[in-house]
Amino acid sequence: GAVVSQHPSWVICKSGTSVKIECRSLDFQATTMFWYRQFPKQSLMLMATSNEGSKATYEQGVEKDKFLINHASLTLSTLTVTSAHPEDSSFYICSARDPVTGTYSPLHFGNGTRLTVT
Amino acid sequence: AQSVSQHNHHVILSEAASLELGCNYSYGGTVNLFWYVQYPGQHLQLLLKYFSGDPLVKGIKGFEAEFIKSKFSFNLRKPSVQWSDTAEYFCAVNAGSSNTGKLIFGQGTTLQVKP
Repeated sequence: GAVVSQHPSWVICKSGTSVKIECRSLDFQATTMFWYRQFPKQSLMLMATSNEGSKATYEQGVEKDKFLINHASLTLSTLTVTSAHPEDSSFYICSARDPVTGTYSPLHFGNGTRLTVT
Repeated sequence: AQSVSQHNHHVILSEAASLELGCNYSYGGTVNLFWYVQYPGQHLQLLLKYFSGDPLVKGIKGFEAEFIKSKFSFNLRKPSVQWSDTAEYFCAVNAGSSNTGKLIFGQGTTLQVKP
């Protein structure tokens, strides 16, 4: 079945540094990928929609300059957390839909990336 | 604004017990409804989905859910749970017919099944 791969699965960084998270669709091409964030004991919240070849669409309240999204190819989207702070510590999850399986095919999720900012 | 509410935050059952997890959403128009499961250490996986047609939807591993439009509900059920069903369960809604990636998730229900 369709697989979405995220890397790294966990990362620890110092406050003020930047961290890049990769999301790859392994056996399908995804013109659109989605980035979610999950705080402990809370639900997933959509952060932004990553569009191949164009600017990402951010949800209300998400800082564009802090969470940089690049969707340079049909199989890769990256999320860069710039100048990370402890409050950015969270679980980041990407997802994508295989367009070949139809308009209403469900999302496939990556395993997520646990970011800890010290 | 659209929202999804899962009533049970933590459910503990013994094996063979029946399960029902509540999910209500707030949106007056056309919705697509999903239940996802996250087993310990694994990624989210789709259990079942409803787009249209028969409101009683059957998913994988013996799960089913019923869409009741008048109640804005999409409760998840399983007649007899197993220890392997221990996981986090998320209800999600996509409002409208476009962009099925923009899902609104409930806060999740942790199911613990005792052997």
